[in-house]
Amino acid sequence: DAGITQSPRYKITETGRQVTLMCHQTWSHSYMFWYRQDLGHGLRLIYYSAAADITDKGEVPDGYVVSRSKTENFPLTLESATRSQTSVYFCASKQGAGNTIYFGEGSWLTVV
Amino acid sequence: TQLLEQSPQFLSIQEGENLTVYCNSSSVFSSLQWYRQEPGEGPVLLVTVVTGGEVKKLKRLTFQFGDARKDSSLHITAAQPGDTGLYLCAGSTSGTYKYIFGTGTRLKVLA
Repeated sequence: DAGITQSPRYKITETGRQVTLMCHQTWSHSYMFWYRQDLGHGLRLIYYSAAADITDKGEVPDGYVVSRSKTENFPLTLESATRSQTSVYFCASKQGAGNTIYFGEGSWLTVV
Repeated sequence: TQLLEQSPQFLSIQEGENLTVYCNSSSVFSSLQWYRQEPGEGPVLLVTVVTGGEVKKLKRLTFQFGDARKDSSLHITAAQPGDTGLYLCAGSTSGTYKYIFGTGTRLKVLA
């Protein structure tokens, strides 16, 4: 029972490079989310998706791109990484009628 | 932009003490949740409240949803070192499925 997995777990990249964080869930949950977590800000919603090919912006979408061609995958791409995007990124999913949001273990990204 | 403010931000108490954490917003939520997060892990759901005035108990934890569904509180009785962690509230407004998280309360319970 893999649940929801994120990769890579840790990454260091340089300013200006493109980075993709992967998220895969095995439950066939309809809804998926990307959050970033920074000290003093809690979790902030970047993008979310209700189903394959349906995505929407959250609170802090600038500089990020998502896609959802398959229900189980929801990759997050930083098109041109900046130092302000250094953060811990959490992918999450939710069953259609349920309330519980299940989180991955997080991806620690450092932009130097 | 809806905001969820939590207070206090940090709390350090002795084992056996009681504490209350608050989650406040100017928005009305259709449901509000509380999560606990351990270092190096993702948040884990503790409870969901959906009715104004609702009170739910989970062992030594008591959760309350405000009558107007704009605020919530988490009360821990006789705190234990195992309660140490980051507590987050999250709300969803009617007609949406996105959840906005609060700023978090970092609790440390000393033995």
